[in-house]
Amino acid sequence: EAAVTQSPRNKVTVTGGNVTLSCRQTNSHNYMYWYRQDTGHGLRLIHYSYGAGNLQIGDVPDGYKATRTTQEDFFLLLELASPSQTSLYFCASSGGQGAGNTLYFGEGSRLIVV
Amino acid sequence: QQKVQQSPESLSVPEGGMASLNCTSSDRNFQYFWWYRQHSGEGPKALMSIFSDGDKKEGRFTAHLNKASLHVSLHIRDSQPSDSALYFCAASEQRNNNAPRFGAGTKLSVKP
Repeated sequence: EAAVTQSPRNKVTVTGGNVTLSCRQTNSHNYMYWYRQDTGHGLRLIHYSYGAGNLQIGDVPDGYKATRTTQEDFFLLLELASPSQTSLYFCASSGGQGAGNTLYFGEGSRLIVV
Repeated sequence: QQKVQQSPESLSVPEGGMASLNCTSSDRNFQYFWWYRQHSGEGPKALMSIFSDGDKKEGRFTAHLNKASLHVSLHIRDSQPSDSALYFCAASEQRNNNAPRFGAGTKLSVKP
């Protein structure tokens, strides 16, 4: 089965702090995604990428940057963290588009901004 | 407003009963639909996909798609306590380089 690894699994930071969430997939998938999960909102798309060096803006991008350094690695950056960014973050990868766009998720990174 | 809506928000069924979850979309560009299941403390996992009108059955799970009304449903027969989880509906467009969008989820509780 596809393997997606996220780190850190848990993080507490202060308002205005700098946070980087990391994601690595070992499935040779072209597509990688960052979602945030909040009660009542489900999974909301932050950013995604269809290859190294590529970045696409999702539906809730404000306050987030992302970078895809290699096919395997996708990072989510919060440069001035705010309490509204307290959430559970999921990274996912997929090997295709359309009917082939089944996502494989990591275990999540829980971020608390105090 | 999210493009994928799910109902109900939560659902409780007895062990052995039938659970029915619903999903509708407001975007006619969506052509492909999935159901994902998330157990507590884990990431979501794809449960089943459906891309054509009609029913698709996999074991105790049956998905139904009506593309004209953009409505997808998931029916779980003989529900087990291990089916207790958060269920997400996801939809994707046919064009390349797009990302699936998810609904807010339905929390299913199966009582022994």
